[in-house]
Amino acid sequence: QLQLQESGPGLLKPSETLSLTCTVSGGSISGSTYYWGWIRQPPGKGLEWIGTIDYSGSTYYNPSLKSRVTISVDTSNNQFSLNLNSVTAADTAVYFCARALPSATGINWFDPWGKGTLVTVSS
Amino acid sequence: SFVLTQPPSVSVVPGNTARITCGGNNIGSKSVHWYQQKPGQAPVLVIYYDNDRPSGIPERFSGSNSGNTATLTISRVEAGDEADYYCQVWDSSNYHVVFGGGTKLTVL
Repeated sequence: QLQLQESGPGLLKPSETLSLTCTVSGGSISGSTYYWGWIRQPPGKGLEWIGTIDYSGSTYYNPSLKSRVTISVDTSNNQFSLNLNSVTAADTAVYFCARALPSATGINWFDPWGKGTLVTVSS
Repeated sequence: SFVLTQPPSVSVVPGNTARITCGGNNIGSKSVHWYQQKPGQAPVLVIYYDNDRPSGIPERFSGSNSGNTATLTISRVEAGDEADYYCQVWDSSNYHVVFGGGTKLTVL
């Protein structure tokens, strides 16, 4: 059964870079036809897609975050990562990683999801 | 960019049918996926490709999609169905994922 687990610092100061890693177990990222994505959820608010990547490094990013986001993949460790620079309090959220099914033109649905990790940005 | 509009809340009596809508411009031309999220938990896929159910999701969950509205229908609602529900599509014009704002389902 495929499982995903987020890891990384839970507290950042404004202007720092958020770095999270998603470790995939029960299946391999390498050579997979799937995409791998990041989604976040500010406290008490809805879901916001951040971006997705496939095993070869092909990416899609949310246009509203694209200037600050980098998603990368490490097939040797079966992980993919999120970097979000110049964070502010508005980036405080639970960050989820998930597997995404590709479509003919991009992405279909996300399943399964990791449990999520809370990242707080505060001075 | 493409916008998905959901009602903030829907209430239903146990045993009745709940319908949660997801509105978008010509959404019927897109594939819609639905997630259930309970407090403190990650979202769980309950419907994909408008009306397909992943294994383990009860038959009480179904979906439809036509024109400008997609609908998630939960029949014979149970207390355990109380959760937030999100619709999601792929905006192929702008190459990005779009989520609806979410609907809180309250079981009275």
